[in-house]
Amino acid sequence: AQKVTQAQTEISVVEKEDVTLDCVYETRDTTYYLFWYKQPPSGELVFLIRRNSFDEQNEISGRYSWNFQKSTSSFNFTITASQVVDSAVYFCALSNQGGKLIFGQGTELSVKP
Amino acid sequence: SAVISQKPSRDICQRGTSLTIQCQVDSQVTMMFWYRQQPGQSLTLIATANQGSEATYESGFVIDKFPISRPNLTFSTLTVSNMSPEDSSIYLCSVELAGPTLRETQYFGPGTRLLVL
Repeated sequence: AQKVTQAQTEISVVEKEDVTLDCVYETRDTTYYLFWYKQPPSGELVFLIRRNSFDEQNEISGRYSWNFQKSTSSFNFTITASQVVDSAVYFCALSNQGGKLIFGQGTELSVKP
Repeated sequence: SAVISQKPSRDICQRGTSLTIQCQVDSQVTMMFWYRQQPGQSLTLIATANQGSEATYESGFVIDKFPISRPNLTFSTLTVSNMSPEDSSIYLCSVELAGPTLRETQYFGPGTRLLVL
């Protein structure tokens, strides 16, 4: 069975701190995809990144970086120098080639000024 | 990317009534999905909307309660039937866009916030 675990329910940091959101996944598929989405208070779900199971190269996009490690089945997300606008619920998700997304429970990040 | 719109954006309904939610995309789409997000919870897939045929429902969701239509590639509707307060949720449509680099990534609409009294 496929499963995504985000053990951190809530995280609170002060602006300019770095913060890492953890994501651990379970799947028996050899081909799969991992995602991070951001859900601000307005409710829409914003796509941040997709990673393929055969591509373990880490990625950096501005203040955002992602660390994909198949050996530990983890796909962690780091925000450097956090800002108040980063406050949101962040979801990690997993899919195989069938299209169904399996979401973690989400981590609510609060960045205080 | 694409513009994905949902109507209505929010609604308050009485129990026992039904509400139809529309999802429209302005780009070519390969797949369309409907998800439910109950208050304070994560997202759960309701069904895959198939063009011109019956939707494919996930375990726990049935066509009588959540009928879905997809008459063309870029439009789909989800009906929440015979509503009860437990149906109060955000309903989101998502799409996979056509194109070799866009496959296997789902983009979401803004969601429909439903409150059932």
